[in-house]
Formats: sequence, structure tokens, C-alpha cells
Amino acid sequence: LAKTTQPISMDSYEGQEVNITCSHNNIATNDYITWYQQFPSQGPRFIIQGYKTKVTNEVASLFIPADRKSSTLSLPRVSLSDTAVYYCLVGEGRAGNMLTFGGGTRLMVKP
Amino acid sequence: NAGVTQTPKFRILKIGQSMTLQCTQDMNHNYMYWYRQDPGMGLKLIYYSVGAGITDKGEVPNGYNVSRSTTEDFPLRLELAAPSQTSVYFCASSFEGANNQPQHFGDGTRLSIL
Repeated sequence: LAKTTQPISMDSYEGQEVNITCSHNNIATNDYITWYQQFPSQGPRFIIQGYKTKVTNEVASLFIPADRKSSTLSLPRVSLSDTAVYYCLVGEGRAGNMLTFGGGTRLMVKP
Repeated sequence: NAGVTQTPKFRILKIGQSMTLQCTQDMNHNYMYWYRQDPGMGLKLIYYSVGAGITDKGEVPNGYNVSRSTTEDFPLRLELAAPSQTSVYFCASSFEGANNQPQHFGDGTRLSIL
């Protein structure tokens, strides 16, 4: 099973860059790595997805080393509104339908 | 474009009662999912569907049933409500398998069993 391991929590300050690393030692060849953000009382929201190397969009960057056994979500210049739980997901490999969310990383951004 | 819509938003049930959580999506997605999220925890997959007429069990299916008669709707049924089913339930959908297609989530149904 392609389980993931993330830090339980992280603290940061406004304006800093935040890097959240996820370990996924058993990632399958066809699996993508996907990150979601969840605010209290809301459903998760897609942030970014990648397969290898680096992916960047308007809100985040995703760094994936060659062995793909880990990935790092990078949030540039965080603000108070980035306080949320961040989940790293990797497909289980069974037709991509079974996903494990895990406990996620609780990011607290302080003023 | 409403996305994924869940009803009701809140519900209190007595032990042994039954109810159906409704989920509908208007994005013509083939795949739909039901998750539950207990306080302070991550989401656990209950059931999923890869298309109309096809459903399969997830990580925690016991005590629940689903059906998928149309592409748009994916209701979740609790037959005999138990306190352990107190949770927040999220429905999600994606165009293809969620492995490489983002899932779109509803706002959740907060269910308390007393």
C-alpha cells in the first residue's frame, strides 16, 4: 500500500516560505502525487499534482526527487489565510481509485 | 455550475434510525466517492463508484450502503445508525480515477448519532 507520512504540525510566520515534506516509500510506477488543502468545516481542495521533478502553479510548487519516495510542497510567502491542514495523497495502484488521506499536516501561520 | 452538492448539511439521528445522505454532481464526472472524517483525523474512504451501476468498497464500508443509478447521484445509506458513525461525511467526484485527476469535494454533512 502506498501510505504516506507527513509531519503532524508546523508553525510559520506571515511572509515566510513553508515546505511540507511527505514520505511515500511504496509509491507505484503509475501513481501521481497530489496535495490537498482543507480549511475547518470545508471539504478538501486540490492544490497541486505531479509525477516527477518539479511542478509549479499560481499557489504552490511541488518538488519530487528522482526516486519519487518523497515529495515537498512549497508555499511561498504564506499569509494567515494559509492556515489549514495539508494532505499528501498517492494512489493505491488499483486503477487509481483507492486513496489514503492520512492525518495531514496542520499548518499554523502566525502574524 | 454548482460542483458537488451534499444534503443535508447537518443531521441528528437516534441510535437505530436510518437515513440517506444525498450527493449530486453536475460536472459529468465518472468517478464518485464517499469519505468520513472523524474529529482531528484524516478522511477515510467508505465507498466509491467508477460509473453508473458500479460501486465498490473502500477502507471502512461496514454499516453503509451505496447505489449509483445515474452519473450525477451517489447516495450513501445508513441502515442502523450507531454512535460510531458520528462523523462528517464528504462526497467527492473526479473525471477519471483519482490517481491522476483532482477530486472535487462537497461541503460535507455533519451527522451526530445520539
